[in-house]
Amino acid sequence: QKEVEQDPGPLSVPEGAIVSLNCTYSNSAFQYFMWYRQYSRKGPELLMYTYSSGNKEDGRFTAQVDKSSKYISLFIRDSQPSDSATYLCAMSAGNAGNMLTFGGGTRLMVKP
Amino acid sequence: ETGVTQSPTHLIKTRGQQVTLRCSSQSGHNTVSWYQQALGQGPQFIFQYYREEENGRGNFPPRFSGLQFPNYSSELNVNALELDDSALYLCASSTSGTTPEQFFGPGTRLTVL
Repeated sequence: QKEVEQDPGPLSVPEGAIVSLNCTYSNSAFQYFMWYRQYSRKGPELLMYTYSSGNKEDGRFTAQVDKSSKYISLFIRDSQPSDSATYLCAMSAGNAGNMLTFGGGTRLMVKP
Repeated sequence: ETGVTQSPTHLIKTRGQQVTLRCSSQSGHNTVSWYQQALGQGPQFIFQYYREEENGRGNFPPRFSGLQFPNYSSELNVNALELDDSALYLCASSTSGTTPEQFFGPGTRLTVL
């Protein structure tokens, strides 16, 4: 069993929909939770990071962490075709410099 | 502010050869991590360099080695290439001791024939 599990999708939604992306994990030592967006043949781009449990909002994006359930989510409001990409969750047990453990990524397609 | 850059963009090698990939970290960052991303999968941690020393290693064999230079740029070397080494190799830079974010370069796509 992988440390971080993520539904590979693809997830197809109409423009303007609310998108929910999720990851589950097994390592209780994870303290930092990150979401990256990766366009085809590009490097991952950091969207948000959260420390421990709770919510964090940045524009159309909201990240939620539930450490008791070992479950994290990324919500995208008013989704746009430009949001079409692979979304990767990543986790770390410590602060800067510690290795990131990634999920396999969920491919999102937002149709106009 | 200059982001993370990597060279070359693409590379084709044959099995058994050796390859060197290069990375320049983002301005102000002193830590470099390398990841391997196979097609359709998430990145896997190879190793990290901080102050020119290896500072953590993932589950990769010793034929994967690296260097960090005084200007914080880094190299990833892979010896005795195998077909399964075909992947996107990503370099990420960060600042040690502050926040956990790592910022990725565009990657080098390595194909081993």
